[in-house]
Amino acid sequence: AQSVSQHNHHVILSEAASLELGCNYSYGGTVNLFWYVQYPGQHLQLLLKYFSGDPLVKGIKGFEAEFIKSKFSFNLRKPSVQWSDTAEYFCAVNSAGGYQKVTFGTGTKLQVIP
Amino acid sequence: KAGVTQTPRYLIKTRGQQVTLSCSPISGHRSVSWYQQTPGQGLQFLFEYFSETQRNKGNFPGRFSGRQFSNSRSEMNVSTLELGDSALYLCASSIKPGDTDTQYFGPGTRLTVL
Repeated sequence: AQSVSQHNHHVILSEAASLELGCNYSYGGTVNLFWYVQYPGQHLQLLLKYFSGDPLVKGIKGFEAEFIKSKFSFNLRKPSVQWSDTAEYFCAVNSAGGYQKVTFGTGTKLQVIP
Repeated sequence: KAGVTQTPRYLIKTRGQQVTLSCSPISGHRSVSWYQQTPGQGLQFLFEYFSETQRNKGNFPGRFSGRQFSNSRSEMNVSTLELGDSALYLCASSIKPGDTDTQYFGPGTRLTVL
């Protein structure tokens, strides 16, 4: 069975600081990887995803993530955070091919201080 | 196009009672997934329905059940409620299972068990 670990539960940054949120997954086969974001009071929405190809994936709002297969990692990064990035971020994985359910991590709450 | 709707939005129940939550997917979406979101556990997959059939099930006790109707609307039921069932229950719909490109989440139903 697949699983996802997000080691940072709560991150506090000042505006303009750089962000890196860790995500590690456990699964022996080929995977699809995702980052979701939930802004306060809003629906969960997809931030970016990796299916195949270039392991560096760019998403909305300046976010990017790098898939490192040897480390089973898919860390989320942003060079300079803004107050509006305050949200909860979830890493997720599903096995590639077919109709596979998505497994989510426990989430990381990011608080950006103006 | 209307989004995923969930009713009710808030619910307060007491231990031992049962509860039914409803999810109406986006028009044309035939897959509905349910998740339980809690601060400590993040999003945990409950089950997924497609064409009125349960395709995947998470690791929850049998007190948690669900079904999907011919119009793709889905309900989940929790019997003999426990304090630990207090959570935000999210529903997501997509055209087909595992299709994150078309997946949208609803606002959730906040269940409080007293």
